[in-house]
Amino acid sequence: DTAVSQTPKYLVTQMGNDKSIKCEQNLGHDTMYWYKQDSKKFLKIMFSYNNKELIINETVPNRFSPKSPDKAHLNLHINSLELGDSAVYFCASSHPGLAVETQYFGPGTRLLVL
Amino acid sequence: KQEVTQIPAALSVPEGENLVLNCSFTDSAIYNLQWFRQDPGKGLTSLLLIQSSQREQTSGRLNASLDKSSGRSTLYIAASQPGDSATYLCAVSPNNDMRFGAGTRLTVKP
Repeated sequence: DTAVSQTPKYLVTQMGNDKSIKCEQNLGHDTMYWYKQDSKKFLKIMFSYNNKELIINETVPNRFSPKSPDKAHLNLHINSLELGDSAVYFCASSHPGLAVETQYFGPGTRLLVL
Repeated sequence: KQEVTQIPAALSVPEGENLVLNCSFTDSAIYNLQWFRQDPGKGLTSLLLIQSSQREQTSGRLNASLDKSSGRSTLYIAASQPGDSATYLCAVSPNNDMRFGAGTRLTVKP
């Protein structure tokens, strides 16, 4: 009974392609996030949505576009993929209204751009 | 800008040993601090969360402390087991955002 799921788990693609990563959470949370984990294991936030509205948009190339069709989904679309986009991308969700705000993470999507 | 540092980067201990992982952050204006576990090929698992008003949290063999004034947190693991082998990440939250350290890779040898 997965709380935060991501698809696909692995993604290997050529430079210049356009790809999407999907994220779904069944926790009823209001806020969802996308993180990028670089080769040094640092997790850097990319985007955050609250109730389908963008609230955090860190400095990422505009080739990255998040889309939230509803509260339970936050998809990440990447245009014109580059070698430097290779990384693990994590989706997460949280419910700020709770006294303890824990972020729940998905299993990650390993993207390799060739 | 918040910087989060974890020391050591890697740690190898024999089974049964008690150990301490360290996390430091540069901006004490945090909302909370979390410790996560990351297993190869899997997502992050939240272990402990300490609110800014708290000093420590305990869960089983894990104990995390927080000293906001000095910008430090420690994760204490008692009686380590091979199943504890993983990468441990700490993250601080100034608001809705989270800033992670690079992690400590722990190996517990049988």
